[in-house]
Amino acid sequence: GAGVSQSPSNKVTEKGKDVELRCDPISGHTALYWYRQRLGQGLEFLIYFQGNSAPDKSGLPSDRFSAERTGESVSTLTIQRTQQEDSAVYLCASSLAGQGNGYTFGSGTRLTVV
Amino acid sequence: KNEVEQSPQNLTAQEGEFITINCSYSVGISALHWLQQHPGGGIVSLFMLSSGKKKHGRLIATINIQEKHSSLHITASHPRDSAVYICAVLSSGNTPLVFGKGTRLSVIA
Repeated sequence: GAGVSQSPSNKVTEKGKDVELRCDPISGHTALYWYRQRLGQGLEFLIYFQGNSAPDKSGLPSDRFSAERTGESVSTLTIQRTQQEDSAVYLCASSLAGQGNGYTFGSGTRLTVV
Repeated sequence: KNEVEQSPQNLTAQEGEFITINCSYSVGISALHWLQQHPGGGIVSLFMLSSGKKKHGRLIATINIQEKHSSLHITASHPRDSAVYICAVLSSGNTPLVFGKGTRLSVIA
């Protein structure tokens, strides 16, 4: 596609439920990143993929968070047993392999846990 | 100390003013990004720099690698420039960006 697409754009879920967030990167971008931005705070790194493998998972805040990527394309970020502190905008970005350029962000998924 | 420091944190300007936002970083980098985030959360990449200067419309970005410093300038500012401007650095290859905390700009008509 022309840009990085994320779905859903908004998600309201009850505490304790699982949610799945989806990211479709730009075609040909082998690097894919997930970031999180809580209300009024800066961006924080969660995980990045090179191809289908995740060399750096250091930002995942707890074992309730997991992510996968298939076909060097779509990635899903899963949050199990959601908590109110998980409420945030989850942003996905992709870039060309081996380069710092072409970094493109999706418009994010706004997750609200009630 | 954060690896990426931005100043000022908040900036209010009158329409037409020349605006400068500064970014200093403490690590070696391969590239620096300036990002714009409007209310609602969408992020747009404005520039990626590894040296020198880039210009796009009313926006100018400069970087001094030796001094580990970059500036984003907005000429003839307009209320639609109101947004959070974020500096982010890339240390190498595909490593994640390290973000500054952002500068919230409000341009008043």
